Amino acid sequence: GQNIDQPTEMTATEGAIVQINCTYQTSGFNGLFWYQQHAGEAPTFLSYNVLDGLEEKGRFSSFLSRSKGYSYLLLKELQMKDSASYLCAVMDSNYQLIWGAGTKLIIKP
Amino acid sequence: GAVVSQHPSRVICKSGTSVKIECRSLDFQATTMFWYRQFPKKSLMLMATSNEGSKATYEQGVEKDKFLINHASLTLSTLTVTSAHPEDSSFYICSARDGRVGETQYFGPGTRLLVL
Repeated sequence: GQNIDQPTEMTATEGAIVQINCTYQTSGFNGLFWYQQHAGEAPTFLSYNVLDGLEEKGRFSSFLSRSKGYSYLLLKELQMKDSASYLCAVMDSNYQLIWGAGTKLIIKP
Repeated sequence: GAVVSQHPSRVICKSGTSVKIECRSLDFQATTMFWYRQFPKKSLMLMATSNEGSKATYEQGVEKDKFLINHASLTLSTLTVTSAHPEDSSFYICSARDGRVGETQYFGPGTRLLVL
């Protein structure tokens, strides 16, 4: 079956760095996405990785290793507004998105 | 980035009535749109994939006659919740796939439905 695993919840301190991991097993691979979802709001697109390596976008970076079925989202210089759920999703061979359950990130002052 | 709008943002209706939710891609054409629902503190659940000009593809367990989907143009898909009941109360979110950006899905702001 298809499976996306990510931690349920993480806690970090304002100004610090946090890494949210995602492992996946899917039928085919057409890219991995990270979305941010604040409570009560719809998800917003953060990043897309289809090739191995690191994609940096401001304070956020996303890494992909296709051979390991692994990705991480790295958030630097954490701000209180970064408190949200972070969703990992993989596009399978049918171009369907398979969603992880999300990681709730709690930022403490 | 691509913008997707959704209307209404919030609706309260009586049990037994029907509710229509619109999803529009504002600055790109979307041959494929998706409808999700999300219960509080739960992950997104894909309900159906909406393809322009053809019938929607529903996920297992989602009633086609209950959740009517129409994708009449490249920028508009509608979801109609027919004969709504309190258990249909949820957060409904649409997304549209932008083929220009690696098949990225961009989400609308969501519609919060409360059925009394």
